[in-house]
Amino acid sequence: NAGVTQTPKFQVLKTGQSMTLQCAQDMNHNSMYWYRQDPGMGLRLIYYSASEGTTDKGEVPNGYNVSRLNKREFSLRLESAAPSQTSVYFCASSEWVAAFFGQGTRLTVV
Amino acid sequence: GENVEQHPSTLSVQEGDSAVIKCTYSDSASNYFPWYKQELGKRPQLIIDIRSNVGEKKDQRIAVTLNKTAKHFSLHITETQPEDSAVYFCAARLLSGGYQKVTFGTGTKLQVIP
Repeated sequence: NAGVTQTPKFQVLKTGQSMTLQCAQDMNHNSMYWYRQDPGMGLRLIYYSASEGTTDKGEVPNGYNVSRLNKREFSLRLESAAPSQTSVYFCASSEWVAAFFGQGTRLTVV
Repeated sequence: GENVEQHPSTLSVQEGDSAVIKCTYSDSASNYFPWYKQELGKRPQLIIDIRSNVGEKKDQRIAVTLNKTAKHFSLHITETQPEDSAVYFCAARLLSGGYQKVTFGTGTKLQVIP
């Protein structure tokens, strides 16, 4: 039982490049989330998916897109990376209890 | 939507003293309140939670209290130890339209001084 798995763990992008962060959970949870955490800051919600087939914007959605591929997988795409998107990204999933987090992706945009 | 405020943003205590972190929420429909601990460079991990039909819950040195009327809840850590040093996040879960959404506070950096 792996819980929530994110890939990659580290990534360096050049400004303007695109990439997709992958997230998968094996706990059969309906809700999944993408957060970003800047140094010394809290968790800011980018997008969330309440169930398979639905996605909604969170607090900071600009510059990102998401896909809820199936119940297990929820990906986050940066179409044209900007230095302001340098951050640690966490995926999480939840059901009727607390959210469980992936190990995070440390993204640097240069 | 839900809004969760957390105070203080930083907290320093002497080893052995108690630490209290407070959160308020805005939506009275929120019914579940987890607390997370995030050590440096690691993912947030659940340490304790409380449901809206309970006023207090305790787990060894950690306790959480909930006041539904005032819409605030607190984390209490007694006999603090250096390994308690971390960032702590509160959260509130709201059920809306049959779906749930978790909103986090901004975090409290706790430093326990040996």
